[in-house]
Amino acid sequence: RKEVEQDPGPFNVPEGATVAFNCTYSNSASQSFFWYRQDCRKEPKLLMSVYSSGNEDGRFTAQLNRASQYISLLIRDSKLSDSATYLCAVDGGFQKLVFGTGTRLLVSP
Amino acid sequence: DAGVTQSPTHLIKTRGQHVTLRCSPISGHKSVSWYQQVLGQGPQFIFQYYEKEERGRGNFPDRFSARQFPNYSSELNVNALLLGDSALYLCASSSRTSGASTDTQYFGPGTRLTVL
Repeated sequence: RKEVEQDPGPFNVPEGATVAFNCTYSNSASQSFFWYRQDCRKEPKLLMSVYSSGNEDGRFTAQLNRASQYISLLIRDSKLSDSATYLCAVDGGFQKLVFGTGTRLLVSP
Repeated sequence: DAGVTQSPTHLIKTRGQHVTLRCSPISGHKSVSWYQQVLGQGPQFIFQYYEKEERGRGNFPDRFSARQFPNYSSELNVNALLLGDSALYLCASSSRTSGASTDTQYFGPGTRLTVL
C-alpha cells in the first residue's frame, strides 16, 4: 500500500460546481497534513494546512479524519482558474513530506 | 519578501555527467529540503538539511548528495547521471527545524533537469 494515495482523476466539472477530493494515508503517527496546488510545469504552492478541526479558506474547505486516515478538500463554486493538480502531502516525520500522485481538476465553461 | 529561489531553471546534461543545483531559502528559514518530481508523480523526498547537517534522507542512491552553507543556502549534487534522473528538482524551505512533525514547507520554482 502506498503511504499516500489519491485518485489521479481527471475530475471534469463545469464552472460553479462543487468538487471534493479525498486522500488516504497509511502512517497513523502523521501529525501534519497539507494540500498543495500545482499548475503545469510549476512548483507546488501551498493551498491549505489541515488541522484536526478542519480548515476553511474562502471557497476551499479541508477536513481531517484521523480514525479513517484520510483528508479531504472541498472546492465550492469552481472557477476556470481552479484547473490544476491538487497534491495531498502528509507528515513523514522530521521535516519530510510524503506526497500523493495528485488529483487533476479540469473546470470547463 | 523573496520566496525560495533556485538556479538554474533548466539544465540539459548527458548520461554520466554530474550536476549541481542551488537553492536559497526564504529569509529567516533555516531548514531546506530537496524533492524530485518525475512526470505524473508527486514530489519525492531526497534530503533535509538544517544547520549544515543532514537531518533526513530519502530512498535515493549515493550518487545524490547535498550540503548546506552557513547562510542556509543549499546545493544538491547528482553524479553519474542516468536517463531516469530527468525530473523537476524542487527545493523547499521551512522555519521550524525541531520536533517530530513536519512544518509547512514552501517550494521554489524548481530546476528542470533533462538527461540525454
